Amino acid sequence: GAGVSQSPRYKVAKRGQDVALRCDPISGHVSLFWYQQALGQGPEFLTYFQNEAQLDKSGLPSDRFFAERPEGSVSTLKIQRTQQEDSAVYLCASSRQAYPSGGITNSYNEQFFGPGTRLTVL
Amino acid sequence: AQTVTQSQPEMSVQEAETVTLSCTYDTSESDYYLFWYKQPPSRQMILVIRQEAYKQQNATENRFSVNFQKAAKSFSLKISDSQLGDAAMYFCAYRSNRDDKIIFGKGTRLHILP
Repeated sequence: GAGVSQSPRYKVAKRGQDVALRCDPISGHVSLFWYQQALGQGPEFLTYFQNEAQLDKSGLPSDRFFAERPEGSVSTLKIQRTQQEDSAVYLCASSRQAYPSGGITNSYNEQFFGPGTRLTVL
Repeated sequence: AQTVTQSQPEMSVQEAETVTLSCTYDTSESDYYLFWYKQPPSRQMILVIRQEAYKQQNATENRFSVNFQKAAKSFSLKISDSQLGDAAMYFCAYRSNRDDKIIFGKGTRLHILP
């Protein structure tokens, strides 16, 4: 079956431009995550959706970053007034289940990653 | 806050030999998952192996195995019979049992020498 897809694969923007990055999760997956991977670093969490609800946006670096998932499937990460420090690979991941609803559970909920979008801000 | 540390930015191994990648982590929690992910130049993050903290037995997946030392908060990856296709960035990662947010280390670039 199809995996997580992201578009575009590469994006070059001039400083100050707005960009929109798209993520198509695996069909039926409830959870969707965005990560930012700077050059030579590991991915860092940005935000999390459960269906259309954005439940955690604690990793968004500034109010220039905005994410949405209006119908609970496709998600868009928007960056306004891009800066050079926004240059990175943006990874999207989806998983079948939702966050644990409460308490601790030993259930395993694998995240499947897309190929990422490499954003270069000049 | 939880952290994951990989102290080896790069490693090389001869084809068919065995290599071990190191990882340490810090957490105050007792229930969590640990992972090793592989990221080839295509950037696709691929799960190699996972370990549940409540399991004492080390996880194994074909040529990949881990040495999980919970008290020492150490989680190393051993790759046996290294193949050219194993060349990639390898990330050690942590996930609390309380949520699905994954915390990654900085990665180790593995080179396979023919």
